[in-house]
Order: sequence, then C-alpha cells, then structure tokens
Amino acid sequence: GAGVSQSPSNKVTEKGKDVELRCDPISGHTALYWYRQSLGQGLEFLIYFQGNSAPDKSGLPSDRFSAERTGGSVSTLTIQRTQQEDSAVYLCASSLGLAGDTQYFGPGTRLTVL
Amino acid sequence: AQKITQTQPGMFVQEKEAVTLDCTYDTSDPSYGLFWYKQPSSGEMIFLIYQGSYDQQNATEGRYSLNFQKARKSANLVISASQLGDSAMYFCAMSLGGLAGRRALTFGSGTRLQVQP
Repeated sequence: GAGVSQSPSNKVTEKGKDVELRCDPISGHTALYWYRQSLGQGLEFLIYFQGNSAPDKSGLPSDRFSAERTGGSVSTLTIQRTQQEDSAVYLCASSLGLAGDTQYFGPGTRLTVL
Repeated sequence: AQKITQTQPGMFVQEKEAVTLDCTYDTSDPSYGLFWYKQPSSGEMIFLIYQGSYDQQNATEGRYSLNFQKARKSANLVISASQLGDSAMYFCAMSLGGLAGRRALTFGSGTRLQVQP
C-alpha cells in the first residue's frame, strides 16, 4: 500500500493477557518507529528500528514490552501481561532512514486494557 | 536532552484568517530537524512541514509556513487563510541529525486549533 498500515485498529484485552500489534511500513523505508499516545503522557517514543536491528530501545517502559522486525519490513510490538496503564494509542511510523528525514505515521492501534 | 514546548493548549481563529502556533525547542546539538504534524479527530498524524537547523530560508508548504528563529530557538507554524478543515491538534516535534543523532521524534504537548465559520 501507499502508506503505513497498522493492525488491528482497535484491541480490547483483559489485564494480564499478552497482545501483539503489527505495523507494515511504507515500501522502501528502512527506519521504523513505535510511539504511544496517551492522555496523561502525550506522545512518547518507544523503539526505533534501522533494518532489522533496534539501535534505540530507550523508550520501552518495562521488560513487558518488546518488538521485532523481520525482513526489514513488518514489525510486531508485543506487550506481555498487560496492565491498565498500557491503554493508549500505539502509533507506528516509517522513514527512509536518513538523519533528519520525515517520519510518516500509520493510523494507530487503540489498545484498551480492562 | 531535547525538549519541545508548546504553550498554547487551545487556539481559536476565524475562517480565512491567518494563525500562528507557537513552538520553542531546546537542544545542545547543532544538527536537528523540526517538524509540524496535524492530528485531526480521526487520530492519524499528518506531516505538514519540515525545517532543518542549517536551512537558511524558512520552510513553506502551500498555506503552511514555518517561522524559524534559530537564536530564539523557536519554530512557529503559520497557517494562512484558515479553513474549517484545519481544526485539529497540531504537534511540533524535533529529531537530531548527524551520524549519532537521536532519530526518534520528541514531541510537544500540542495545540488544539478550532476554526470558526
């Protein structure tokens, strides 16, 4: 597709369950980013991939959060043992991978933990 | 560490008028990029305009222009001839350049713009 796609668009889960969020970047974009947006914390960076490696994981809030990227394309963000404070919109972005280049965002996944 | 400050939580503007959304930034890195994104109620982040720290001229994209004042560390967004469809949340953001620069965007808290007919 032409833009960044994310699935699912909405996810409701129970506290303690694991969830997987998927991001499909723009074709040819080597850099991929995960952010989360919540009312209390605004927009926060989680993790950055260049190709399949993650040189910056500094934003992951706990070891319950992990992400991987395979084939330099699709990425999956996994949250284990979800907590209510994990409820947020998770946004994925991709870019060409050059310093200072523009990041293009997907529509996000709204996660609600009951 | 870098920081973005947007001091206007909400702004109102009349249709067809121009509006300026404020953004100040803080970084010790000489190489950086400044971005503005629009987030309508649908939730998607839409890229509007980019300014590099070494760019000599202010960036323009259609009705959007960026008033870049490097000495003041400000990067205000100017929207000319406002339209009803401009009503949205607007975020200022920064990333660092250079080989070792932090690529992740640091965002401000946003400004909610409402265009009135």
